[in-house]
Amino acid sequence: DTAVSQTPKYLVTQMGNDKSIKCEQNLGHDTMYWYKQDSKKFLKIMFSYNNKELIINETVPNRFSPKSPDKAHLNLHINSLELGDSAVYFCASSHKGIEAFFGQGTRLTVV
Amino acid sequence: TQLLEQSPQFLSIQEGENLTVYCNSSSVFSSLQWYRQEPGEGPVLLVTVVTGGEVKKLKRLTFQFGDARKDSSLHITAAQTGDTGLYLCALGNEKLTFGTGTRLTIIP
Repeated sequence: DTAVSQTPKYLVTQMGNDKSIKCEQNLGHDTMYWYKQDSKKFLKIMFSYNNKELIINETVPNRFSPKSPDKAHLNLHINSLELGDSAVYFCASSHKGIEAFFGQGTRLTVV
Repeated sequence: TQLLEQSPQFLSIQEGENLTVYCNSSSVFSSLQWYRQEPGEGPVLLVTVVTGGEVKKLKRLTFQFGDARKDSSLHITAAQTGDTGLYLCALGNEKLTFGTGTRLTIIP
């Protein structure tokens, strides 16, 4: 059983399109995150949710909208995709910031 | 300003050698986590250190938390090709803030 699963693993799309990435965790964790990893491998937090409530929004353009229908899911919707959005996006979950578990990542390429 | 600086940024060594990588901050932190990320995968937690001066061992990996809780190191003994990867330290805070990473390559 995969602890944190995100789909799709690869996403290639044209500029201006809208796309979604889904994430689910079966660990019973209360906190979920979205991170962006750039070409230099730096992992930067985008959003953090605790019990479905947004607690961290790190100066991310409002084209990015997370949605948490329940504690086990945190989806990421991106509107009007731009070239600079190309990166690997990771979903993760933890219990109060301790011992995070990550998904396999979604490699987004905007052309 | 990056809260956690890791050094070196890149490291390539021969199989069998020893190495140490570092994670430093100008601030005191309550706990620190080390992760390893392999290509095409997400980071995987290796260890959490909580107490100043703490030393934890995981087979050939030794993790140390500085006495002042502002720095940490990871020492690998007799490196193997399977140790190749990106090593990340992270603060155990609300944001789970990650360091800049060390890309380690073990050459057969």
